[in-house]
Order: sequence, then structure tokens, then C-alpha cells
Amino acid sequence: DGGITQSPKYLFRKEGQNVTLSCEQNLNHDAMYWYRQDPGQGLRLIYYSQIVNDFQKGDIAEGYSVSREKKESFPLTVTSAQKNPTAFYLCASGPFVGQTYSNQPQHFGDGTRLSIL
Amino acid sequence: AQKITQTQPGMFVQEKEAVTLDCTYDTSDQSYGLFWYKQPSSGEMIFLIYQGSYDEQNATEGRYSLNFQKARKSANLVISASQLGDSAMYFCAMREGTDKLIFGTGTRLQVFP
Repeated sequence: DGGITQSPKYLFRKEGQNVTLSCEQNLNHDAMYWYRQDPGQGLRLIYYSQIVNDFQKGDIAEGYSVSREKKESFPLTVTSAQKNPTAFYLCASGPFVGQTYSNQPQHFGDGTRLSIL
Repeated sequence: AQKITQTQPGMFVQEKEAVTLDCTYDTSDQSYGLFWYKQPSSGEMIFLIYQGSYDEQNATEGRYSLNFQKARKSANLVISASQLGDSAMYFCAMREGTDKLIFGTGTRLQVFP
């Protein structure tokens, strides 16, 4: 079945450690996104990519990094510079239509819960 | 700047009743799209329904319908015949620019027997 796979489901980070969250999609979507969700809050955009080898910062990119070497994959690294990384991280993908008036939704993975040890 | 406001942190509804979840938005664009997502306790985001700014009719998808009032900049989600499985967080979102979505803070719906 087509979909988005995030791994791991749970992740623990030690102080000063970088950790990488995996996101893979087989929907043949051009665009991929990373969101952060804090308890009781909506989703905030961290990074997004509309095409391979290109990505842009979202609203809260500080302390995070990404790569987009393959269309299917968009891993997120939470660096030691991110001082409050405990959150729920959601990856999404969607067709890049290039217009605001598009009914194409973003499709989401099941998320990764990151906690500090 | 574009913004989505969901003023109801939590809502309760009895099984089989209808419920309306509020969403207002702020944008200066003429062309935009509005989405509703459901997030069960397991965490995944499930797309429910879409409304385009140029759509003349309110969107409907099964038990979900969207009460779109463009002049008031509101896009309320109506769930008819609520079921216990409808208990979840519900998020309203608007497409910003050509690609990105901005989300409201969500409404937690609880359906009781």
C-alpha cells in the first residue's frame, strides 16, 4: 500500500546528541514536510522540500537540519543546538501543484515521539 | 500574515447527534484552500475535507460537511450522526502560498454514549 513511513516511533535523546528521524514515502510525491507538534498545540512547520536536492526553512528551523537526496526520503536531524526537542514530529508529503487553489491534501505519517533522557 | 483560529479547545457531543467545530481564518489572498484533519490519540493526521475559495457549494464528504461563509472568513466543520470513533483532535488548516499549510490549535472532540 502507498503511504508514509516514519521511524522510529519513539526516540530518546541524550544531552549533546544529534538524532535523526526517518521519513520515507512511496506516493511519488514531489513535496515533503516536517512538522513539530507540542502538547495541546497545532502543527508548526520545520522544513519543507519541493524537489530533490532542494529544501527551505519553515517557521521553526533553528536546531534542525534536513536532506533530500532521494525523492522518497526526507530525514530530519535534531541537533544538540535544539534545546527543547521533546515533541511529536510528523512528516508529510504531497504533490507540488504550485498554486494556492489546489484540493490536494498533504498525507501524513504516524509520527515520532522524541524525548530527552 | 495568514492565520487560522479555532476558539473551542474542547467540545462534547452525544452519540448520534450533530456537532459543529469552528474555524475562522485571516488572509488577504483571493485564492486559497481550507482543509480539516482529524488526529486520533494514536497521532496520525487523517484528511477529512477540503474547501476551495472559489467553490460555490459547501464541501461534503460522507458525514462531514463544511459550512463555508466566505464573507465572514469562517469554515466550520459539521459532523453529523456522531460516533464514538469520532473522538479525536480536529485541526483546521489553510494552504499558504503554493504549498505550505498553516494549522489552527485544534479542538478536542469527545463523543459520549
